[in-house]
Amino acid sequence: DTGVSQDPRHKITKRGQNVTFRCDPISEHNRLYWYRQTLGQGPEFLTYFQNEAQLEKSRLLSDRFSAERPKGSFSTLEIQRTEQGDSAMYLCASSLERERGEQFFGPGTRLTVL
Amino acid sequence: AQSVTQPDIHITVSEGASLELRCNYSYGATPYLFWYVQSPGQGLQLLLKYFSGDTLVQGIKGFEAEFKRSQSSFNLRKPSVHWSDAAEYFCAVGLSGGYNKLIFGAGTRLAVHP
Repeated sequence: DTGVSQDPRHKITKRGQNVTFRCDPISEHNRLYWYRQTLGQGPEFLTYFQNEAQLEKSRLLSDRFSAERPKGSFSTLEIQRTEQGDSAMYLCASSLERERGEQFFGPGTRLTVL
Repeated sequence: AQSVTQPDIHITVSEGASLELRCNYSYGATPYLFWYVQSPGQGLQLLLKYFSGDTLVQGIKGFEAEFKRSQSSFNLRKPSVHWSDAAEYFCAVGLSGGYNKLIFGAGTRLAVHP
C-alpha cells in the first residue's frame, strides 16, 4: 500500500492554457474523489467516481473542467482555458466501497495560473 | 444546506499546554464527523472519526474529540501539545446515505510556542 499519489505536485501555467492532473488511488479502492482547496479555506468537493462511473459533480466544476477514470483505476482532472481563479490545490482521495469508508488523501497538486 | 464552522482561524498555545479546537456543524441527519490534520507539503491525515456509539472518540497522536448532538459540536482536544502538532486542522462532515462526500470547515491553524 503506497497511498494515494498525485502528479505533478506543482504546476505553473499561463492563463488560457490547458492542464491535466493525474491521481493514482490506493489499489483496492474503487471510490475516488476530487477536491479543490484555495488559500485559507478547507477542501471543497468537486466530483466523485465509483469505479469508472462519475456519479456526482459539484456546481463548482464548470464546463472547463472534466474528470475521467478509465477502467476504474487512475483518474485525470483536466482544466481547459485556465483562469487565475483556478489557482488552488487540487486534492484526490480514495476509499473503499462502503458507507463509512475512510477517505485517504493524496499530497495534492498545486496549480498556479499566471 | 450542510455546513461546518470552525470559529477560530488561528490558535497559539505553549508547548505542554492543553488544546481545544472548536467545530460546529449543520446537518439534518445523523452526521459522520471527522478531524483531519494538514502539515505543509503533506496531504490530509485523518486524526479521528465519529460514526455512532460512544460520543468520546480517541484518535491518533493523543487527540480525542467529543460529539455533542445538543450543541451540534465536535470539538477536538489534546491534554498536552507538542511542537510537532503545529499544523492546520480541519473538521469535516460526511454525508450519510451511500457515500462519504465530505464537507470541510475552513480550518484552524495551530501554532505552538516553545
